[in-house]
Amino acid sequence: EVQLVESGGGLVQPGGSLRVACAASGFTFSDHYMDWVRQAPGKGLEWVGRIKKKNNSYTTEYAASVKGRFTVSRDDSQNSLYLQMNSLKTEDTAMYYCGRVPGVYGDYSLDYWGQGILVTVSS
Amino acid sequence: DIQMTQSPSSLSASVGDRVTITCRASQVLGNELGWYQQKPGKAPKRLIYTASSLQSGVPSRFSGSGSGTEFTLTISSLQPEDFATYYCLQHNAYPLTFGGGTKVEIK
Repeated sequence: EVQLVESGGGLVQPGGSLRVACAASGFTFSDHYMDWVRQAPGKGLEWVGRIKKKNNSYTTEYAASVKGRFTVSRDDSQNSLYLQMNSLKTEDTAMYYCGRVPGVYGDYSLDYWGQGILVTVSS
Repeated sequence: DIQMTQSPSSLSASVGDRVTITCRASQVLGNELGWYQQKPGKAPKRLIYTASSLQSGVPSRFSGSGSGTEFTLTISSLQPEDFATYYCLQHNAYPLTFGGGTKVEIK
Protein backbone atom coordinates (compact mmCIF):
# COMPACT_ATOMS: atom_id res chain seq x y z
CA GLU A 1 0.00 0.00 0.00
CA VAL A 2 1.38 3.40 -1.00
CA GLN A 3 1.83 5.66 2.02
CA LEU A 4 3.11 9.20 2.26
CA VAL A 5 3.47 10.76 5.71
CA GLU A 6 4.47 14.38 6.20
CA SER A 7 6.16 15.71 9.31
CA GLY A 8 7.95 18.75 10.64
CA GLY A 9 5.28 21.42 10.41
CA GLY A 10 4.52 24.03 13.01
CA LEU A 11 4.61 27.70 13.89
CA VAL A 12 7.43 29.88 12.59
CA GLN A 13 7.98 33.62 12.59
CA PRO A 14 8.05 35.67 9.38
CA GLY A 15 11.53 35.59 7.89
CA GLY A 16 12.24 32.25 9.53
CA SER A 17 12.99 28.82 8.12
CA LEU A 18 11.41 25.40 8.40
CA ARG A 19 11.98 22.00 6.82
CA VAL A 20 9.13 19.59 6.29
CA ALA A 21 9.63 15.97 5.36
CA CYS A 22 7.62 13.26 3.64
CA ALA A 23 8.28 9.60 4.38
CA ALA A 24 7.32 7.24 1.56
CA SER A 25 6.55 3.55 1.69
CA GLY A 26 4.80 0.87 -0.33
CA PHE A 27 6.47 1.67 -3.66
CA THR A 28 9.91 2.12 -5.21
CA PHE A 29 10.49 5.74 -4.21
CA SER A 30 13.52 6.23 -6.46
CA ASP A 31 11.45 5.46 -9.57
CA HIS A 32 9.15 8.45 -9.14
CA TYR A 33 9.11 12.20 -9.48
CA MET A 34 7.71 13.77 -6.29
CA ASP A 35 5.76 17.00 -5.75
CA TRP A 36 4.75 19.42 -3.03
CA VAL A 37 1.33 21.11 -3.15
CA ARG A 38 -0.07 23.55 -0.60
CA GLN A 39 -3.47 24.87 0.41
CA ALA A 40 -3.94 28.08 2.38
CA PRO A 41 -6.81 28.01 4.88
CA GLY A 42 -10.13 28.14 3.03
CA LYS A 43 -8.42 28.46 -0.35
CA GLY A 44 -7.71 26.28 -3.38
CA LEU A 45 -4.75 24.08 -4.23
CA GLU A 46 -1.40 25.55 -5.29
CA TRP A 47 1.42 23.48 -6.78
CA VAL A 48 4.72 24.33 -5.06
CA GLY A 49 7.45 22.28 -6.67
CA ARG A 50 8.75 19.02 -8.10
CA ILE A 51 11.88 16.94 -7.97
CA LYS A 52 12.58 14.46 -10.71
CA LYS A 53 14.38 11.14 -10.29
CA LYS A 54 18.05 10.26 -10.59
CA ASN A 55 17.78 9.42 -14.30
CA ASN A 56 16.60 13.00 -14.80
CA SER A 57 19.46 14.41 -12.73
CA TYR A 58 17.16 15.19 -9.79
CA THR A 59 16.04 18.31 -11.66
CA THR A 60 13.73 20.60 -9.70
CA GLU A 61 10.91 22.92 -10.80
CA TYR A 62 9.15 25.57 -8.68
CA ALA A 63 6.20 27.89 -8.62
CA ALA A 64 7.16 31.53 -9.04
CA SER A 65 5.77 32.35 -5.58
CA VAL A 66 8.41 30.17 -3.86
CA LYS A 67 11.32 30.13 -6.30
CA GLY A 68 14.53 31.24 -4.62
CA ARG A 69 13.09 30.68 -1.13
CA PHE A 70 12.03 27.01 -1.13
CA THR A 71 14.12 23.99 -2.06
CA VAL A 72 12.80 20.50 -2.81
CA SER A 73 15.23 17.65 -2.18
CA ARG A 74 15.12 13.90 -1.73
CA ASP A 75 17.07 11.06 -0.16
CA ASP A 76 16.34 7.89 -2.10
CA SER A 77 18.27 5.78 0.44
CA GLN A 78 15.81 6.93 3.12
CA ASN A 79 12.69 7.01 0.89
CA SER A 80 12.25 10.60 1.96
CA LEU A 81 11.26 13.89 0.35
CA TYR A 82 11.99 17.29 1.84
CA LEU A 83 10.86 20.87 1.48
CA GLN A 84 13.24 23.48 2.90
CA MET A 85 11.42 26.77 3.35
CA ASN A 86 13.43 29.96 3.94
CA SER A 87 12.46 33.62 4.22
CA LEU A 88 8.96 32.56 5.16
CA LYS A 89 6.09 35.00 4.72
CA THR A 90 2.67 35.06 6.33
CA GLU A 91 1.19 34.11 2.95
CA ASP A 92 3.09 30.80 3.09
CA THR A 93 0.72 29.67 5.86
CA ALA A 94 -0.90 26.55 4.49
CA MET A 95 -1.38 22.81 4.65
CA TYR A 96 1.51 21.26 2.74
CA TYR A 97 0.98 17.96 0.92
CA CYS A 98 3.55 15.71 -0.69
CA GLY A 99 2.48 13.67 -3.67
CA ARG A 100 3.75 10.92 -5.94
CA VAL A 101 3.92 11.35 -9.72
CA PRO A 102 3.43 8.15 -11.77
CA GLY A 103 5.65 9.37 -14.61
CA VAL A 104 4.59 6.73 -17.10
CA TYR A 105 2.43 6.79 -20.26
CA GLY A 106 2.26 10.57 -20.12
CA ASP A 107 0.80 10.57 -16.61
CA TYR A 108 2.53 13.36 -14.72
CA SER A 109 -0.19 14.44 -12.32
CA LEU A 110 -0.16 13.35 -8.66
CA ASP A 111 -1.73 9.97 -7.97
CA TYR A 112 -1.11 9.51 -4.24
CA TRP A 113 -1.04 12.25 -1.60
CA GLY A 114 0.02 12.45 2.01
CA GLN A 115 -2.38 13.59 4.72
CA GLY A 116 -0.76 17.02 4.86
CA ILE A 117 1.17 19.02 7.45
CA LEU A 118 0.25 22.49 8.66
CA VAL A 119 2.78 25.30 8.47
CA THR A 120 1.81 28.55 10.17
CA VAL A 121 3.86 31.71 9.64
CA SER A 122 2.99 34.29 12.24
CA SER A 123 4.60 36.59 14.79
CA ASP B 1 1.95 30.33 -16.92
CA ILE B 2 -1.07 28.31 -18.08
CA GLN B 3 -4.28 29.64 -16.52
CA MET B 4 -6.98 27.10 -15.71
CA THR B 5 -10.49 28.56 -15.57
CA GLN B 6 -12.87 26.21 -13.81
CA SER B 7 -16.64 26.62 -13.88
CA PRO B 8 -18.93 26.83 -12.12
CA SER B 9 -17.24 27.79 -8.85
CA SER B 10 -20.12 26.16 -6.99
CA LEU B 11 -23.31 24.29 -7.75
CA SER B 12 -26.26 22.82 -5.91
CA ALA B 13 -27.54 19.46 -7.04
CA SER B 14 -29.69 16.58 -5.86
CA VAL B 15 -28.82 12.94 -5.44
CA GLY B 16 -29.23 11.26 -8.82
CA ASP B 17 -28.51 14.41 -10.84
CA ARG B 18 -26.02 14.51 -13.69
CA VAL B 19 -23.29 17.05 -12.92
CA THR B 20 -20.79 18.59 -15.32
CA ILE B 21 -17.74 20.66 -14.38
CA THR B 22 -15.56 22.39 -16.97
CA CYS B 23 -11.94 23.52 -17.07
CA ARG B 24 -10.65 25.76 -19.81
CA ALA B 25 -6.92 26.20 -20.34
CA SER B 26 -5.22 29.33 -21.63
CA GLN B 27 -3.00 27.14 -23.84
CA VAL B 28 -3.33 23.80 -25.56
CA LEU B 29 -2.68 20.94 -23.12
CA GLY B 30 -3.10 17.87 -25.25
CA ASN B 31 -4.50 15.41 -22.72
CA GLU B 32 -2.29 16.45 -19.83
CA LEU B 33 -4.96 17.09 -17.27
CA GLY B 34 -6.20 15.41 -14.11
CA TRP B 35 -9.29 15.78 -11.92
CA TYR B 36 -9.35 15.62 -8.12
CA GLN B 37 -11.99 15.39 -5.40
CA GLN B 38 -11.37 16.92 -1.98
CA LYS B 39 -13.54 16.55 1.09
CA PRO B 40 -13.20 18.88 4.09
CA GLY B 41 -10.10 18.17 6.17
CA LYS B 42 -8.84 15.53 3.76
CA ALA B 43 -6.17 15.30 1.09
CA PRO B 44 -7.28 15.47 -2.54
CA LYS B 45 -8.02 12.18 -4.26
CA ARG B 46 -7.36 11.69 -7.97
CA LEU B 47 -10.39 10.66 -10.03
CA ILE B 48 -9.22 11.04 -13.63
CA TYR B 49 -5.80 11.20 -15.27
CA THR B 50 -4.67 12.07 -18.81
CA ALA B 51 -8.05 13.77 -19.30
CA SER B 52 -10.20 10.65 -19.61
CA SER B 53 -8.62 7.68 -17.81
CA LEU B 54 -10.43 6.53 -14.69
CA GLN B 55 -8.21 6.12 -11.62
CA SER B 56 -8.28 2.58 -10.26
CA GLY B 57 -10.94 2.15 -7.58
CA VAL B 58 -12.96 5.21 -8.61
CA PRO B 59 -16.64 4.55 -9.40
CA SER B 60 -17.58 4.47 -13.06
CA ARG B 61 -20.13 7.28 -12.60
CA PHE B 62 -17.12 9.61 -12.84
CA SER B 63 -15.83 10.32 -16.34
CA GLY B 64 -13.54 12.82 -18.00
CA SER B 65 -13.46 14.11 -21.53
CA GLY B 66 -11.87 16.77 -23.68
CA SER B 67 -8.54 17.66 -25.13
CA GLY B 68 -6.74 20.77 -26.24
CA THR B 69 -8.08 23.60 -24.13
CA GLU B 70 -11.51 22.42 -22.89
CA PHE B 71 -12.05 19.57 -20.46
CA THR B 72 -15.06 18.20 -18.62
CA LEU B 73 -15.63 16.10 -15.51
CA THR B 74 -19.03 14.43 -15.46
CA ILE B 75 -20.73 12.65 -12.57
CA SER B 76 -23.51 10.64 -14.21
CA SER B 77 -25.66 10.14 -11.10
CA LEU B 78 -24.64 12.15 -8.04
CA GLN B 79 -24.36 10.14 -4.84
CA PRO B 80 -24.34 11.44 -1.23
CA GLU B 81 -20.61 10.76 -0.91
CA ASP B 82 -19.87 12.93 -3.97
CA PHE B 83 -20.59 16.23 -2.23
CA ALA B 84 -17.12 17.74 -2.18
CA THR B 85 -14.88 20.23 -3.98
CA TYR B 86 -13.41 19.28 -7.34
CA TYR B 87 -10.23 20.59 -8.96
CA CYS B 88 -8.55 20.18 -12.33
CA LEU B 89 -4.75 20.17 -12.67
CA GLN B 90 -2.75 20.74 -15.84
CA HIS B 91 0.66 19.10 -16.12
CA ASN B 92 1.49 20.12 -19.69
CA ALA B 93 3.94 22.83 -18.63
CA TYR B 94 5.68 24.18 -15.56
CA PRO B 95 4.49 25.54 -13.29
CA LEU B 96 1.69 23.04 -12.90
CA THR B 97 -1.57 24.90 -12.25
CA PHE B 98 -4.89 24.00 -10.66
CA GLY B 99 -8.32 25.30 -11.50
CA GLY B 100 -10.01 27.38 -8.84
CA GLY B 101 -12.27 24.57 -7.69
CA THR B 102 -15.96 23.67 -7.88
CA LYS B 103 -17.86 23.09 -4.66
CA VAL B 104 -20.73 20.64 -5.15
CA GLU B 105 -23.40 21.13 -2.51
CA ILE B 106 -26.67 19.43 -1.67
CA LYS B 107 -29.79 21.08 -3.05
